[in-house]
Amino acid sequence: AQSVTQLGSHVSVSEGALVLLRCNYSSSVPPYLFWYVQYPNQGLQLLLKYTTGATLVKGINGFEAEFKKSETSFHLTKPSAHMSDAAEYFCAVSRRRGANNLFFGTGTRLTVIP
Amino acid sequence: DTEVTQTPKHLVMGMTNKKSLKCEQHMGHRAMYWYKQKAKKPPELMFVYSYEKLSINESVPSRFSPECPNSSLLNLHLHALQPEDSALYLCASSQPQVALYEQYFGPGTRLTVT
Repeated sequence: AQSVTQLGSHVSVSEGALVLLRCNYSSSVPPYLFWYVQYPNQGLQLLLKYTTGATLVKGINGFEAEFKKSETSFHLTKPSAHMSDAAEYFCAVSRRRGANNLFFGTGTRLTVIP
Repeated sequence: DTEVTQTPKHLVMGMTNKKSLKCEQHMGHRAMYWYKQKAKKPPELMFVYSYEKLSINESVPSRFSPECPNSSLLNLHLHALQPEDSALYLCASSQPQVALYEQYFGPGTRLTVT
């Protein structure tokens, strides 16, 4: 069975500060990993994903994440927060084979303080 | 065109009503999804259609009835809903290998059951 744990339901950072959103997964085999962002009253948008290859993945809007198998983690970072980054962020996992679906973490709400 | 459209944006219905939610995409995607999202929670998968056939039903009550008339359209028929069914209903589409292909989400229909 697969699951995703996001530590911290709410993270606040100052504008210009480092953003770090944590995600740990539980899976019997390395899964595919995703980060999605949801702005208020909108659907979800893919920020980045890890499937195979380079473990440091760069996404849109300056975000990146590093897959660390030894730590079963896929934390999301951005060097300098912008006010427009305020949103809900979801980490998700899918199996490499089989069912065509995603399992989402509980989400982290990012607040950016001016 | 990378847009998934959903109608209506908002829907209020009584417990005895019958209504339908509509989702449309013109990206040539052959997998389409319905998710339910309660406030401050992650999306929960309800149904997956792959090549216009229902491939996943996550034990959703029969008062929700999905339909995929063609590869561009996905409907969710609602009947005899309960107040606890009030939520944001998200539609998504992708090519049928979610691990490799991004899911594109619509903005959702906010449903209130009175």
